[in-house]
Amino acid sequence: QVQMKETGPGLVQTTQTLSVTCTVSGFSLASDGVHWVRQAPGKGLEWMGVIWGDGNTNYNSALRSRLTISRDVSKSQVFLTVNSLQADDTAVYYCAGAVLLRYWFFDLWGPGTMVTVSS
Amino acid sequence: DIQMTQSPASLSASLEEIVTITCKASQGIDDYLSWYQQKPGKSPQLLIYDAASLADGVPSRFSGSRSGSQYSLKISRPQVDDSGIYYCLQSYSTPWTFGGGTKLELK
Repeated sequence: QVQMKETGPGLVQTTQTLSVTCTVSGFSLASDGVHWVRQAPGKGLEWMGVIWGDGNTNYNSALRSRLTISRDVSKSQVFLTVNSLQADDTAVYYCAGAVLLRYWFFDLWGPGTMVTVSS
Repeated sequence: DIQMTQSPASLSASLEEIVTITCKASQGIDDYLSWYQQKPGKSPQLLIYDAASLADGVPSRFSGSRSGSQYSLKISRPQVDDSGIYYCLQSYSTPWTFGGGTKLELK
């Protein structure tokens, strides 16, 4: 069964580093990419970045200096790291899978993990 | 970065209406445009991909279209279960960008 699931710490202190893991099943990270999308409370969706099947990454320019996406193909896990956290990083963090038919679109989402940044 | 301007931000519609939500891209994105529905506390769900293709399992009352750089999602005779927030997404170039969302309330 094709699935994705995020695991996060729940609560993180300001200025600290956030680490969220996306564990996938039913497909290989060696061939398929994983995107990260977040949603602050009551706000819209924000694309954060992607690690492609070939291991290359792209990031949201507004987050690039604080964001790292990496993976462990053998464990089917993708890792999101966000440094220098502030209160406005409080959000639900989703990992998502995209498919290319003629054009790209998201066909799979994890349930999301809520992260609260607090002092 | 490509900006996606989505309108309206919210709307209230009756079950007899045709609901139209639009997204305008700040530059050409071909048909790299998809639409998603999000219910409270849930992940977004795909409705339309490639600007006008209906995703599997999505009712035929949903449809997508394009006119130039403007993309539309239409819901014909919406059902109460269609309440939620709708987003467009451009995947033409990174960073991928979402529209700001449209909150649909059915009355």
